[in-house]
Amino acid sequence: EAQVTQNPRYLITVTGKKLTVTCSQNMNHEYMSWYRQDPGLGLRQIYYSMNVEVTDKGDVPEGYKVSRKEKRNFPLILESPSPNQTSLYFCASKQGGGTEAFFGQGTRLTVV
Amino acid sequence: AQSVTQLGSHVSVSEGALVLLRCNYSSSVPPYLFWYVQYPNQGLQLLLKYTSAATLVKGINGFEAEFKKSETSFHLTKPSAHMSDAAEYFCAVSGPGGSQGNLIFGKGTKLSVKP
Repeated sequence: EAQVTQNPRYLITVTGKKLTVTCSQNMNHEYMSWYRQDPGLGLRQIYYSMNVEVTDKGDVPEGYKVSRKEKRNFPLILESPSPNQTSLYFCASKQGGGTEAFFGQGTRLTVV
Repeated sequence: AQSVTQLGSHVSVSEGALVLLRCNYSSSVPPYLFWYVQYPNQGLQLLLKYTSAATLVKGINGFEAEFKKSETSFHLTKPSAHMSDAAEYFCAVSGPGGSQGNLIFGKGTKLSVKP
């Protein structure tokens, strides 16, 4: 079954404690992205990757890191989380052009 | 840079009434356009997409959208709303060429359906 898998689904952490949200896709897609969703702001892109070892900033990259060492995985790293990073996070993957993006189920992160 | 504007953060209709959700895009070249739906506490699901074939695109659950280049619009419609259509709807754009994998979303429109 084609899918994008994010883990964990829910996470509560404390300010400053490094965390990683994993994302894996099994469709051999070239493009992967991370978004955060906040009420009234829609989905804002954090980072995206066009292929292995190729990443670029989206609209809200501050406070986040990503890596793309393998085509299937695109982890999101928060080196020092802060309360303003409390949000719902989605990972997505797609091929190029007009193809559909597939989304993970989301990770609800709370930073206290 | 590409962008998407969705007019109206909340739309409320009665069951059986027409649904119209507005989306305008900004792009220097004809883009690819998408509508996604998000039901409460769920991820995003593709409703329909425009990829430069027919300008009137039919999607799932009775929704359709028309690409109008002259108006840079891609509005979503459904002739008769059902209670099950209550959800948040997102318009998104990606471009041909180098940005073709990069999907940019509007801020979303929350649809309420009254009995």
